[in-house]
Amino acid sequence: NAGVTQTPKFRILKIGQSMTLQCTQDMNHNYMYWYRQDPGMGLKLIYYSVGAGITDKGEVPNGYNVSRSTTEDFPLRLELAAPSQTSVYFCGIGGTPQETQYFGPGTRLLVL
Amino acid sequence: AQSVTQLGSHVSVSEGALVLLRCNYSSSVPPYLFWYVQYPNQGLQLLLKYTTGATLVKGINGFEAEFKKSETSFHLTKPSAHMSDAAEYFCAVREGGSQGNLIFGKGTKLSVKP
Repeated sequence: NAGVTQTPKFRILKIGQSMTLQCTQDMNHNYMYWYRQDPGMGLKLIYYSVGAGITDKGEVPNGYNVSRSTTEDFPLRLELAAPSQTSVYFCGIGGTPQETQYFGPGTRLLVL
Repeated sequence: AQSVTQLGSHVSVSEGALVLLRCNYSSSVPPYLFWYVQYPNQGLQLLLKYTTGATLVKGINGFEAEFKKSETSFHLTKPSAHMSDAAEYFCAVREGGSQGNLIFGKGTKLSVKP
């Protein structure tokens, strides 16, 4: 998956628990993204970053937080897990708008 | 705001038949358009993209797509389906401005019958 790694691959959380989804890239791209994929809904943007120290909300940011202290890492934090956050989470990286956006293999999260 | 519409959440074809997956977009600026494929329990893999230049774009695995500005379409085709083409396909447009994120369609699941 073109230099984007995500951990863990799968996780089960209880309601109210917290966790951090990790995303690391080795392609030195400035742009990094977090999407969630729900069945029949495509992918929706949660948060994005245009460089270290810069983050902003996407379409569905509620219940999540991010940070970007380095170019390589863009962790996604769930503070109080809810069943509505059951989804598959993909991290994406990209350069200029003309360049391809690459994705990690995804993290499957189940909140019970 | 930009948006992407994929007609047909599920398309079924016979092996060897033409594959046609439809995608229409709305964009107020010249679009950058992408098709991604997702095999079961895997991530997204780029099939092809249109940025500028030739409107007929060839991708991997024998797929191609044609950008038609007048129809705001970017349909994906393959002359002869193979069993290995069974997957979910997503059309996406690149958001303008500083964000650069992708706006995805809801996806089309392609089944290939023997």
